[in-house]
Amino acid sequence: DIQMTQSPSSVSASVGDRVTITCRASQGISSWLAWYQQKPGKAPKLLIYAASSLQSGVPSRFSGSGSGTDFTLTISSLQPEDFATYYCQQANSFPQLTFGGGTKVEIK
Amino acid sequence: EVQLVETGGGLIQPGGSLRLSCAASGFTVSSNYMSWVRQAPGKGLEWVSVIYSGGSTYYADSVKGRFTISRDNSKNTLYLQMNSLRAEDTAVYYCARAGVYAILSWGQGTLVTVSS
Repeated sequence: DIQMTQSPSSVSASVGDRVTITCRASQGISSWLAWYQQKPGKAPKLLIYAASSLQSGVPSRFSGSGSGTDFTLTISSLQPEDFATYYCQQANSFPQLTFGGGTKVEIK
Repeated sequence: EVQLVETGGGLIQPGGSLRLSCAASGFTVSSNYMSWVRQAPGKGLEWVSVIYSGGSTYYADSVKGRFTISRDNSKNTLYLQMNSLRAEDTAVYYCARAGVYAILSWGQGTLVTVSS
């Protein structure tokens, strides 16, 4: 089974900061990676698919990069509505999807 | 507009059974990959099951043999039959429309609590 490891597990940041979250796969997954944002009590929301493709309607301050085993989600200028938990997810072993453990972005 | 509405969650004793339903609108369930994903309280996301447009089904090892995914095309509804429930099945269960790369749309979730 492919394991997904996110780091850090939490990050404290201020509005306007650049925030970077990493996700590492236990084996190569090409570009079969997605990123989601989840706010408390709500369902996750797709931000990025195929490692770097921005889902329709998602602000351009979100970007994704990487391939193989190492991936990054970057928020270029953190906004108040971006405080949430972020998850990566691999689809290389589709239909069996695996999620990372999550990264909570908190207000400093 | 794509909408997914789950129902059927609740409190159930260990060993019991429950059926979750997911009513879809804005698209056709039978033409899409449809999944269930769960999230235990305070924990991360766990993929549970998927049904392909052709009808093939797949399950996470943790639920294989106990859960069954199905759909009713006439009602445009997805189901998850859960048998032999365990405490570790306690979670919010999300119905989801999946693409090949990612989950495109999520329902609001329904809470299943397995406890005596």
